[in-house]
Amino acid sequence: EIVLTQSPATVSVSPGERATLSCRASNSISNNLAWYQQKPGQAPTLLIDDATNRATGVPARFSGSGSGTDFTLTINSLEPEDFAVYYCQQRDIWPPTFGPGTKVDVK
Amino acid sequence: EVQLVESGGGLVQPGGSLRLSCAASGFTFGSYWMHWVRQVPGKGLVWVSRINTDGSSTSYADSVKGRFTIARDNARNVLYLQLSSLRVEDSAVYYCARSFCRGNNCHADYFQHWGQGTLVTVSS
Repeated sequence: EIVLTQSPATVSVSPGERATLSCRASNSISNNLAWYQQKPGQAPTLLIDDATNRATGVPARFSGSGSGTDFTLTINSLEPEDFAVYYCQQRDIWPPTFGPGTKVDVK
Repeated sequence: EVQLVESGGGLVQPGGSLRLSCAASGFTFGSYWMHWVRQVPGKGLVWVSRINTDGSSTSYADSVKGRFTIARDNARNVLYLQLSSLRVEDSAVYYCARSFCRGNNCHADYFQHWGQGTLVTVSS
């Protein structure tokens, strides 16, 4: 089973600033990684698939990068609605697994 | 608009059973692999089970194998999860999720759309 490690656990950012979130896989997963956003009391929503592709309707301030074992989600110019928990998820090696999440909160 | 609406959660005693349902609309249900993912409130996401488009292939997390059964009714656009021999550690919000397609590019094991979840509490 692939273990995904996310860092930091919490990042405090001011609105308008940039947040950089990391996801590391225990073995290479090529580019088979997705990112999800989850707001309190809501279901997750898909942000990024295959490491770099923004899902339909996702603002351009969200970008994904990386391949192999190291991945990054960057959120530029944070908007108030971006404060949430972000999860990475891999589909390369069965079973699909999620990282523990990174909480982006207001500084 | 894609909609997934779960139901069937509730309070059940250890060793008990429950059947969750997920009513799908806004897409061709029978064309997509479907999943169940659970989340203990305040904790992370855990994949539980998957079913292929016609129901002939199913997969489970080791933690639920032999106790949970996933099924689907493509005529009624409904996904099910039968939970049996429930344990306290099965308590969670259970989400149904649809697999991913962008045009002809489809991946069974990304979760493109999610329901709002249904809470299962296993307690005596």
